[in-house]
Amino acid sequence: GDSVTQMEGPVTLSEEAFLTINCTYTATGYPSLFWYVQYPGEGLQLLLKATKADDKGSNKGFEATYRKETTSFHLEKGSVQVSDSAVYFCALRGGAAGNKLTFGGGTRVLVKP
Amino acid sequence: GAVVSQHPSWVICKSGTSVKIECRSLDFQATTMFWYRQFPKQSLMLMATSNEGSKATYEQGVEKDKFLINHASLTLSTLTVTSAHPEDSSFYICSARDLLNEKLFFGSGTQLSVL
Repeated sequence: GDSVTQMEGPVTLSEEAFLTINCTYTATGYPSLFWYVQYPGEGLQLLLKATKADDKGSNKGFEATYRKETTSFHLEKGSVQVSDSAVYFCALRGGAAGNKLTFGGGTRVLVKP
Repeated sequence: GAVVSQHPSWVICKSGTSVKIECRSLDFQATTMFWYRQFPKQSLMLMATSNEGSKATYEQGVEKDKFLINHASLTLSTLTVTSAHPEDSSFYICSARDLLNEKLFFGSGTQLSVL
């Protein structure tokens, strides 16, 4: 079946540091890939997505590129802010599970001033 | 933006009691809502798909008699954990699909602790 693996947190870094959260997936077919973010006390929100190989999703300074050859969708941001402290979830849709989302375990990021 | 209200945000109950969790779409209608659970350091796992006006569709391995889902209106789905036991302690999250644009919005989750 489909699966998503992302690095365990927490990831703690200083403001303006570079952030990378690794995400790899296993799926049949050609899934769409997503990053969701959950800020404290709020629901998950779609951060960015990519629907085919080599697509780059971007939003709020975050980027992720759909790499089919390495089955990866790593999230990056060049200069994080305290307000980026949140839990980040990698997910896919469109593999064996059809239209259902398959999530990774989430990575908590804490940015210190 | 669209908001999904999930209530309560946390609940502690005694073993053997039932707990109801509500999921409301506040400014949009949703024919489809989803219920997930997450154990510590594990993925969000889809439990069931809730369809307005019809029976929920449960994922393999999820006991439908234990996790009762009701989706009686286009803005409300409820998950009732019946005769809860400590192994049901988990983080439960709902999501709702906007009827008009099919976008997905999530609630903030419910932490259930069964003593």
